[in-house]
Amino acid sequence: QQQVKQSPQSLIVQKGGISIINCAYENTAFDYFPWYQQFPGKGPALLIAIRPDVSEKKEGRFTISFNKSAKQFSLHIMDSQPGDSATYFCAAAYSGAGSYQLTFGKGTKLSVIP
Amino acid sequence: GAGVSQSPSNKVTEKGKDVELRCDPISGHTALYWYRQSLGQGLEFLIYFQGNSAPDKSGLPSDRFSAERTGGSVSTLTIQRTQQEDSAVYLCASSPGRGWETDTQYFGPGTRLTVL
Repeated sequence: QQQVKQSPQSLIVQKGGISIINCAYENTAFDYFPWYQQFPGKGPALLIAIRPDVSEKKEGRFTISFNKSAKQFSLHIMDSQPGDSATYFCAAAYSGAGSYQLTFGKGTKLSVIP
Repeated sequence: GAGVSQSPSNKVTEKGKDVELRCDPISGHTALYWYRQSLGQGLEFLIYFQGNSAPDKSGLPSDRFSAERTGGSVSTLTIQRTQQEDSAVYLCASSPGRGWETDTQYFGPGTRLTVL
């Protein structure tokens, strides 16, 4: 059973456009929702994270929108640049178990074309 | 500063052999995680260490997988009697372990394991 569903699998965006990646989760106990960016040959790196008590968080060109009732959250990349081309993973965790083990979506490969 | 390091970066082994993968976490980080990244399954949690507490092994796929963390620092993931389905990138992450606000997980570059 896939606990975090991510879409689309791949995304092509023109430079300067908006990239939107969506995730849906099933476990209502999740209370931490990070997005990771991964370049080929590298480990994932945290981009931005949100808790369910806020509906939106913005850091530079990256925004997370969170809809608790729908159990959905999304990443928006404004003014997308070729350097943003990477694979993006949404994830979820709950702190109640004492660890923050991440449950990941399957990833979105973003290509930003000049 | 130094990030999470993993060795080897690549490992090719024959089916049935044992392998050991090493992770050096960021100095001072008390929490350490192992994940596996494979084409079909994405990123999967394997095991978690926090300080001197008993590890959370709930993600280990079989009893052929084990891990230890010596002195609260370096960790070794061991896969016995490797199978072709074990081929994947094994990622290690560490975090300060002081609560969710500061518990960003920092990932190493991974070890790519290929089982022939």
